[in-house]
Amino acid sequence: QVQLRESGPGLVKPSQTLSLTCTVSGGSMTTRGYYWSWIRQHSGAGLEWLGYVHHTGNTYYNPSVKGRLTILEDTSKNQFSLKLNSVTAADTAVYYCASERWFDYGSSTGFVSWGPGILVTVSS
Amino acid sequence: AIQMTQSPSSLSASVGDRVTITCRASQAIRTDLSWYQQKPGKAPDFLIYGASSLQSGVPSRFSGTGSGTDFTLTISSLQPEDFATYYCLQNYNYPYTFGQGTRLEI
Repeated sequence: QVQLRESGPGLVKPSQTLSLTCTVSGGSMTTRGYYWSWIRQHSGAGLEWLGYVHHTGNTYYNPSVKGRLTILEDTSKNQFSLKLNSVTAADTAVYYCASERWFDYGSSTGFVSWGPGILVTVSS
Repeated sequence: AIQMTQSPSSLSASVGDRVTITCRASQAIRTDLSWYQQKPGKAPDFLIYGASSLQSGVPSRFSGTGSGTDFTLTISSLQPEDFATYYCLQNYNYPYTFGQGTRLEI
């Protein structure tokens, strides 16, 4: 089972871009059937799936952040990244990266492995 | 987006109790549902996929059932380490959506 770890600044100013990186270890991002997601959790609240990237570069973003979110993959480094622009205090949250496995018969496991999370605060 | 409604939102129980948490989807999602356990300050842990398949290493006191719109997570005999918040996730179509969580407390 792969391990994931988020990294990046813990403080971002309003209107700026939040940038995080997820480093994958113990397996390759190009492994067949795997998708790589970002998920966030506001303090004391539930979980919000933000979007995924596949090693082919395919992405899908949650409409709740569409237009502000970009997820990129760098398979040479076994990393993927999140860039969320025009942030506000509402983007303050713990951000997780996670892996999802798709079976050949067309179903997904859900999120098998998660990083420990990184708290990002949006404040001037 | 598919709405996932969990109940109850919180639950008080004792060690040894049998507890059931339910999750209802706003539309049919086959068995494309997974369950997670989260303890304070930690990332969620993956428990069950495909509504009823136990992830490797998860104790057998955890079980899941359901298909279509109605799903349950059952813990047959609560252990002290089971007190946590539980979430369901519909992984049927994007955008994936989680239930709001069930806080299981003593």
